[in-house]
Amino acid sequence: QVQLQESGPGLVKPSQTLSLTCSVAGDSINSYSYYWTWIRQPAGKGLEWIGRISRTGTTKYNPSLETRLTISVDTSKKQFSLRLNSVTAADTAIYYCARAYAAGTFYLDSWGPGTRVTVSS
Amino acid sequence: AIQMTQSPSSLSASVGDRVTITCRASQDIAHDLGWYQQKPGTAPKLLIYAASSLQTGVPSRFSGSGSATDFTLTISSLQPEDFATYYCLQDYSYPYTFGQGTKLEIK
Repeated sequence: QVQLQESGPGLVKPSQTLSLTCSVAGDSINSYSYYWTWIRQPAGKGLEWIGRISRTGTTKYNPSLETRLTISVDTSKKQFSLRLNSVTAADTAIYYCARAYAAGTFYLDSWGPGTRVTVSS
Repeated sequence: AIQMTQSPSSLSASVGDRVTITCRASQDIAHDLGWYQQKPGTAPKLLIYAASSLQTGVPSRFSGSGSATDFTLTISSLQPEDFATYYCLQDYSYPYTFGQGTKLEIK
């Protein structure tokens, strides 16, 4: 089973950039069968799909975040990353990275434990 | 974006009960739906994909059914470890969208 681990600052000031990295243990980041996904969850609330990236760098973003969002991948480091610009308190959430199997069918089969990000001055 | 509406939002049940959670899509999504279980302080866990396929390692008391706009997750006999929040997720079209969740509590 692949393991994913999020890392990054737990506190970001309003209007600044939130940057997170997900490290992927194992070789599946080089597989064409998977997409690498970010999902977030405000405290006590539901899940929001943020976006995903393939091993070749093809991205799909949630339109609600698209103007502020960049997801990138570095297969040599077995990492993918999220950058969210101009953050506000509404971006405070637990951020999860996840692996999505997407060859013929789709599912999110491996998740990181999540990292809590607070936007506050 | 496709809207996913789960019902009920919360549910109280007893060990051994049969429980059904429903998810309705705002448009036809074929069989492109998964179910996830989340316990407090942990990441969601995949239970069902493609509407009715059981993920490896998930107990057979969990089952999924449905297509187009109406889907159900059934737990045939609740166990103590099943008390959690359940989410559906449509993967038919971007942006993928989750239902708002169903919190399953002990009666």
